Amino acid sequence: EAGVAQSPRYKIIEKRQSVAFWCNPISGHATLYWYQQILGQGPKLLIQFQNNGVVDDSQLPKDRFSAERLKGVDSTLKIQPAKLEDSAVYLCASSKAPSSDNPYNEQFFGPGTRLTVL
Amino acid sequence: TQLLEQSPQFLSIQEGENLTVYCNSSSVFSSLQWYRQEPGEGPVLLVTVVTGGEVKKLKRLTFQFGDARKDSSLHITAAQPGDTGLYLCAGPKILSGTSYGKLTFGQGTILTVHP
Repeated sequence: EAGVAQSPRYKIIEKRQSVAFWCNPISGHATLYWYQQILGQGPKLLIQFQNNGVVDDSQLPKDRFSAERLKGVDSTLKIQPAKLEDSAVYLCASSKAPSSDNPYNEQFFGPGTRLTVL
Repeated sequence: TQLLEQSPQFLSIQEGENLTVYCNSSSVFSSLQWYRQEPGEGPVLLVTVVTGGEVKKLKRLTFQFGDARKDSSLHITAAQPGDTGLYLCAGPKILSGTSYGKLTFGQGTILTVHP
């Protein structure tokens, strides 16, 4: 079974530029998450999708961050314009929908995109 | 707010030593998960503990869930350099009585095992 795919793996941009990240979840996983992870810290949830609908985006800085999952499969996360403090690893994760098949919401993570904003 | 606090934040040991990492909360969790994240990779799920007092073993790793389901520990016996990484605990966050499956993560413990 293929894992969660993310691209690019690394990105360096200057502040005020725009950047986009792409995620392809595990086939059949209805739930998709974008996390921001500052170096040496735990992941912080930015947005959660159930199929193509947003379940939780309470911690997404909506003035500069946007995300979409139009067909309920792939997803993109965009930052426009980027700030220095956006430097982090952006992780995508997927899981089966919370159900008897996945009672504890076990999530599968991609390798992440390391963003450096100069 | 359901917070998970991990300790220690950093751990640097020699190969062959034993260690314990702690994950504590003032809130009750229905389950807790432990993940390991190696440099340049995403977190990988190691185990999920569900029942208060539960002990699970994964080779040299022993996971325990507190009786009151507010804390958990990870014990590694005879650590090896391959155990190096960031260890994260995580638990499901309850939203208005309905769980959407959102996880809250601890800040992690960075473990370095020197040969």
